[in-house]
Amino acid sequence: QQQVKQSPQSLIVQKGGISIINCAYENTAFDYFPWYQQFPGKGPALLIAIRPDVSEKKEGRFTISFNKSAKQFSLHIMDSQPGDSATYFCAASGGGGGSQGNLIFGKGTKLSVKP
Amino acid sequence: DTAVSQTPKYLVTQMGNDKSIKCEQNLGHDTMYWYKQDSKKFLKIMFSYNNKELIINETVPNRFSPKSPDKAHLNLHINSLELGDSAVYFCASSQVYYGYGYTFGSGTRLTVV
Repeated sequence: QQQVKQSPQSLIVQKGGISIINCAYENTAFDYFPWYQQFPGKGPALLIAIRPDVSEKKEGRFTISFNKSAKQFSLHIMDSQPGDSATYFCAASGGGGGSQGNLIFGKGTKLSVKP
Repeated sequence: DTAVSQTPKYLVTQMGNDKSIKCEQNLGHDTMYWYKQDSKKFLKIMFSYNNKELIINETVPNRFSPKSPDKAHLNLHINSLELGDSAVYFCASSQVYYGYGYTFGSGTRLTVV
């Protein structure tokens, strides 16, 4: 059972354009939604995260939009740059003990920003 | 000064062998994890451990076992390696147990031949 569904699988954007990656989740117990960025040969690195009590969070060129009723959240990368070319993962986790505390990842989106 | 370090970075071994991957974090975090990333880049939790509780993903074969000598280390032992075990294995840590703010290592690429 895939608890976090991510789309698209790959994305090609021109330099200066807006990159949009979408995720949907099923478990209403999730209360933490991070995005990770992974470059080839490296581990995933935390990019930005949001909790369900806010609908949007912005850090520089990166924005998370969150829709609790639809159980969806998305990453927007404004003014996309070639250096943003990487694989992006959405994730979710819930509070409490046991396996609820583990981060569950989407399948990733490979972003290519063309110069 | 690497926050989460894994060794080795690459590991090539034959089927049937037993191998270990080491992980150390210097962040003072309470919880450590092992994730497996397959050829399609899918990241899947294998274990989480916070020195009180070990959570094992039920899909992980019992040939895989985590060993934690202390709070800063979580090693992964794999017995009787199979071709399907080939993947990149990532260690991660977090301050508290609820999945917040994971810091990942740079990964160990395991190839079973």
